[in-house]
Amino acid sequence: AQKVTQAQTEISVVEKEDVTLDCVYETRDTTYYLFWYKQPPSGELVFLIRRNSFDEQNEISGRYSWNFQKSTSSFNFTITASQVVDSAVYFCALSVNTGGFKTIFGAGTRLFVKA
Amino acid sequence: DVKVTQSSRYLVKRTGEKVFLECVQDMDHENMFWYRQDPGLGLRLIYFSYDVKMKEKGDIPEGYSVSREKKERFSLILESASTNQTSMYLCASSRNPGSLYGYTFGSGTRLTVV
Repeated sequence: AQKVTQAQTEISVVEKEDVTLDCVYETRDTTYYLFWYKQPPSGELVFLIRRNSFDEQNEISGRYSWNFQKSTSSFNFTITASQVVDSAVYFCALSVNTGGFKTIFGAGTRLFVKA
Repeated sequence: DVKVTQSSRYLVKRTGEKVFLECVQDMDHENMFWYRQDPGLGLRLIYFSYDVKMKEKGDIPEGYSVSREKKERFSLILESASTNQTSMYLCASSRNPGSLYGYTFGSGTRLTVV
């Protein structure tokens, strides 16, 4: 069975601090996709990044960076120099093809960035 | 600007009512999904559809059904609403399940069953 664990329920930081959101996944499939989504207070989930299981290269996009490690089944997300606008719920997700593609989401991590 | 539009932002329904949640996308996507979001549980897949008139059960289909008569529209139906179906419902679409750009989500419908 597939599973995504986001152990951090809530994180609170002060603006300009760096923060890392953890994501651990479980699957027996060798081909899979990992995602991060952001859900601001408006409610609409916004896609941030996708990684496939064959690409362990880390990625940086502005203040965002992602660290994918198959050895530990982790796909962590770091925000550098956090800003108030980063306050949101962040979801990690896993897609596998088991009789059709399905995406399993973690429980989410709520990030508060205080000014 | 591409969009997934959910017809209602907030709904209050009575126990036993039949409830329709509508979702329309304008991106010509083949795949559409219904999730419910509950605190501490994340998003759980209710039903999904890969094509018109096709539907597949997700992880928690009990008490729900769906309809996809047209490619752009995917409706979620609560046959007889119950209080444990009070939740945030999110519709999503994608061109293919492993899409490079992930899913596009609607803004959600917060349903309260009283």
